[in-house]
Amino acid sequence: DVKVTQSSRYLVKRTGEKVFLECVQDMDHENMFWYRQDPGLGLRLIYFSYDVKMKEKGDIPEGYSVSREKKERFSLILESASTNQTSMYLCASSLGTAFHQPQHFGDGTRLSIL
Amino acid sequence: KNEVEQSPQNLTAQEGEFITINCSYSVGISALHWLQQHPGGGIVSLFMLSSGKKKHGRLIATINIQEKHSSLHITASHPRDSAVYICAVLMDSNYQLIWGAGTKLIIKP
Repeated sequence: DVKVTQSSRYLVKRTGEKVFLECVQDMDHENMFWYRQDPGLGLRLIYFSYDVKMKEKGDIPEGYSVSREKKERFSLILESASTNQTSMYLCASSLGTAFHQPQHFGDGTRLSIL
Repeated sequence: KNEVEQSPQNLTAQEGEFITINCSYSVGISALHWLQQHPGGGIVSLFMLSSGKKKHGRLIATINIQEKHSSLHITASHPRDSAVYICAVLMDSNYQLIWGAGTKLIIKP
């Protein structure tokens, strides 16, 4: 079974802090994704990556950056956290052509910015 | 108007009832996904379909491409089916995924 592991289930940070969310997958998937999920809204894609050192902006990249130095790890960085970035963050990975294959999700990180 | 609409937003039913969750979309698609999100947060892919019908255990997913509509059915529902069910469509114009807001299902014993 594919395992996607997010480093924290719950995280509390302060406004202005630099925040790192880590995601690791163990199935050698080419594609990795970061989403945020807010009540009443569908998942919104922040960034995705289809290969090491490659990244593509999703629908809401502002205020975020990503890093993919190794195939199994995809990091989401909040450069200067703000209260409107309080959300559930979900990492996913998939094989092959980016959006055609089912995505495998981590358990999510519930991030609160105070 | 959202490109992917799910209905109902919330559904509470008794154990054993037949459940239907609907997904309507307004764009051309090449595939549609149904996913399940448990209260803990993790999301699991249930089905990916582009035509007809798929069945897995007590879950059935159907899609009508002409009507731009898909349904997820649960037979003999059980409290462990309580979750948020999410529909996502893969657009055929740019191969991006558009996500529905989800249907929160509660099955009472």
